[in-house]
Parts: sequence; C-alpha cells; structure tokens
Amino acid sequence: GDSVTQMEGPVTLSEEAFLTINCTYTATGYPSLFWYVQYPGEGLQLLLKATKADDKGSNKGFEATYRKETTSFHLEKGSVQVSDSAVYFCALSDHGSSNTGKLIFGQGTTLQVKP
Amino acid sequence: KAGVTQTPRYLIKTRGQQVTLSCSPISGHRSVSWYQQTPGQGLQFLFEYFSETQRNKGNFPGRFSGRQFSNSRSEMNVSTLELGDSALYLCASSVGTGQNTEAFFGQGTRLTVV
Repeated sequence: GDSVTQMEGPVTLSEEAFLTINCTYTATGYPSLFWYVQYPGEGLQLLLKATKADDKGSNKGFEATYRKETTSFHLEKGSVQVSDSAVYFCALSDHGSSNTGKLIFGQGTTLQVKP
Repeated sequence: KAGVTQTPRYLIKTRGQQVTLSCSPISGHRSVSWYQQTPGQGLQFLFEYFSETQRNKGNFPGRFSGRQFSNSRSEMNVSTLELGDSALYLCASSVGTGQNTEAFFGQGTRLTVV
C-alpha cells in the first residue's frame, strides 16, 4: 500500500540556519502531497501542499517541490526561527481510496531551533 | 470563523470502559475524518464520514466506531477500552472529500486508559 517515509529526528538547528527535512513516498497513481506542522499541545496545521508533479508548494518561507521522478517532497526553509520549533509531518492523499480524503502520514520529524 | 472543535480535551478512563469523543467541524464542512496519534504508531487513519455516510475505514478493530449527524458533527466511540487505546485522537474536517481537499484539524482529545 501507499506509504510515506521521513528522515528521523530530532533535527536541531541554530536560528537562521537552512532547513531540509526529507520525505519520500510510495504510491500508486498520482497522490497529492502535504506538509503539516504540529506545535506542542496542538492539532495539525496544513503548512503547504502540491497536487501534481513539479508543483511547488510554499508558505511562511517554507517550500517543497513534488518530484515524481524521485518520489520525494522535501521540505526546505532558508532561515529558521525559534518559533519554527515543532513536529513536521509529510503526508499523501490515499489515491487508492476512491474519492476520499484519507491521509497517510510519515512518522514526523521534530525540529528544535536554538537561539 | 470557528475552527474544528473537539470535546473533551482530556479524558481518563479505566480498562474495559467505553468512551465517546465529539467533533464539531468548521461550519459548511461536510466531511469529517478521525485519526489516532501515538508515539509508537504515529498518525493512523480511523474513518471518514461524508454526509452521514462512512466513506472509508482504517485498519482498526470493531471496538472503534463512529457516526456523523445531519449537522455534520461527528462522534467516535471506543468500547471495551484497552491500555493501548491511550492516544491523542484527532478530528479533521473538510469542505468535501477527495484527494485534493484541504483538511483542518482540531486540537485533539487526549485519552488515557488506566
């Protein structure tokens, strides 16, 4: 079945450092891809999404490009802030489920940004 | 515009009991999905409802059930609770259903089974 694999955390960076969180997926068909962020004690918030190959999703300085040839959707940010500290989840829509919104998530990557 | 509201936020139950969790979606949203989040298994899909009909179900035992009402509010029920059911249960709502639909998540209900 479809699956998502994220790089293991935690990832610890200094403020203003460059961030990359790797995400690769296995899927039949053409899923949509998402990055969600979870702050402590909160639910998930959609950070960005891409619905087809070569699409670039971007939001709040974060961006990710849907790469079908490498089945990847890596999250990047040029300069992280302490407020970016959170858990980041890569997800795909389950194309195998006929016309439903079911999401399949990676295991999450904890990001800690130090001042 | 109010977000997705889940009640209660925290719950402590004893093994063998049953529990009902509630989710009120964003106004106008007709689809509600439920996920279980645990440190070991991560985020796992439980089920999805659209217009009071279950559209999809994850790989969970029959002790886990849900329903959706005509106002799109949803409940999930877990019977005969086990220690392993301790988790954060997240509800997500969306306008419709389909793979491009954006899901909005609530803050979750933290269930502890003792």
